[in-house]
Amino acid sequence: LAKTTQPISMDSYEGQEVNITCSHNNIATNDYITWYQQFPSQGPRFIIQGYKTKVTNEVASLFIPADRKSSTLSLPRVSLSDTAVYYCLVGYEGGKLIFGQGTELSVKP
Amino acid sequence: EADIYQTPRYLVIGTGKKITLECSQTMGHDKMYWYQQDPGMELHLIHYSYGVNSTEKGDLSSESTVSRIRTEHFPLTLESARPSHTSQYLCASSEGTDDQPQHFGDGTRLSIL
Repeated sequence: LAKTTQPISMDSYEGQEVNITCSHNNIATNDYITWYQQFPSQGPRFIIQGYKTKVTNEVASLFIPADRKSSTLSLPRVSLSDTAVYYCLVGYEGGKLIFGQGTELSVKP
Repeated sequence: EADIYQTPRYLVIGTGKKITLECSQTMGHDKMYWYQQDPGMELHLIHYSYGVNSTEKGDLSSESTVSRIRTEHFPLTLESARPSHTSQYLCASSEGTDDQPQHFGDGTRLSIL
């Protein structure tokens, strides 16, 4: 199972674009890259998933370079409500998700 | 929005009590999971199920047990609660293939006195 490394915390201001990068050097050919968001006292919420190049939905974009050894979650024009922990997950071990420590994003006014 | 429900949201109970945490989903998902999460820490998988009558232990050792008699229902039971069981318990479900994202409930925050 590919191990992921992401920053423990990040700070930003309202209206800025935030990019959170995740490293996954030993990603397997069949692995997808998935990002979740978690607010305090809630379960994680799926944000976006990709395999290669770029994926965009209504809340975020996911950039994956050709070698797939890293990925970047991009949140456009963040607001205070985007303050949360963001998890990057790669692949599955027998159908099980393995969560790391995630990145705690703090958005300030 | 995903339809997965956990009850109760909060439970404070004394040591030695038998506890059942409920989890139900209305999406017809075959796969269901239980995670344990302490404040500020990552999620740890404690149980999972790939379908009716299928249950497996996860990566984190847990004294809890689970059952899967119906597709939509995946309860977790602690036969005799202890203070070390104090934590947040999160239930999730997903469709059959491994690349499908998991949908989480809002969790049960359990405190054992």
